[in-house]
Amino acid sequence: EAGVAQSPRYKIIEKRQSVAFWCNPISGHATLYWYQQILGQGPKLLIQFQNNGVVDDSQLPKDRFSAERLKGVDSTLKIQPAKLEDSAVYLCASSLWDRAGNTEAFFGQGTRLTVV
Amino acid sequence: KQEVTQIPAALSVPEGENLVLNCSFTDSAIYNLQWFRQDPGKGLTSLLLIQSSQREQTSGRLNASLDKSSGRSTLYIAASQPGDSATYLCAVSQVSGSARQLTFGSGTQLTVLP
Repeated sequence: EAGVAQSPRYKIIEKRQSVAFWCNPISGHATLYWYQQILGQGPKLLIQFQNNGVVDDSQLPKDRFSAERLKGVDSTLKIQPAKLEDSAVYLCASSLWDRAGNTEAFFGQGTRLTVV
Repeated sequence: KQEVTQIPAALSVPEGENLVLNCSFTDSAIYNLQWFRQDPGKGLTSLLLIQSSQREQTSGRLNASLDKSSGRSTLYIAASQPGDSATYLCAVSQVSGSARQLTFGSGTQLTVLP
C-alpha cells in the first residue's frame, strides 16, 4: 500500500514570495490533515478536511495561508506572501474516517520550507 | 484545550539500556493515543496506537502503556540500539464536532550511544 505522498521535499524562497505544497493521501482515506512543525516543536494542526470539506481550520493564518482539497483526494497548501516565521516542515497526514476518532493517522515525509 | 507534555525533552543512554519515555495530557476524554518516531529531516512513522479502552500495546522491543484516568502514557524501549536514535512524539486523539483532533507533544529526542 502506497503511503502519503508529498512534494516538493525541500523549498527555499524569499520572504513575500508565494509557495505551494502538494499532498496525495492514502487511497480511501477520507480525512486529510496539514500540520506545521517548527524546529524543536511538535506538529501543530493547520487545517483538517473530511472528504473535500473543511472541518477545522481554526489555527490556519487565513490572511496568508489557504488550502483546498478538490474531489476529496489530493490537497494543496499555499502561502502567499511568505514570512520568515513560516520556515518549518509542513506535514500532510491522512486517516480513515471514524466518528469516534479511533483510526490511525499516517504521515508523509513532509516539505521543509526555508524562507530567507 | 488539550495540552500534551513529554518529559524529558532529550535523553542520552548507552546501547543496551532499557528506557522509558513519558507523555502526559490534560484532558482525559481521548479516543486513542499514538506514539510516533521522527528521524531528522523526515516525516512521522507511527509506532503504536492505543485505543482508550486498552491499557497497553506491544510491538517488538516497544511497549506503550496508557492510564487514561491519570492522563499518562509511557513508551518503554527494551535493549536500546543506536538505530533507535530519533525523536519520539506522542499524540492524543479527540473528537470535537465533526473534527478529529490530533494534539502532539513536543517530543523526546533520544540518542543511543554505541
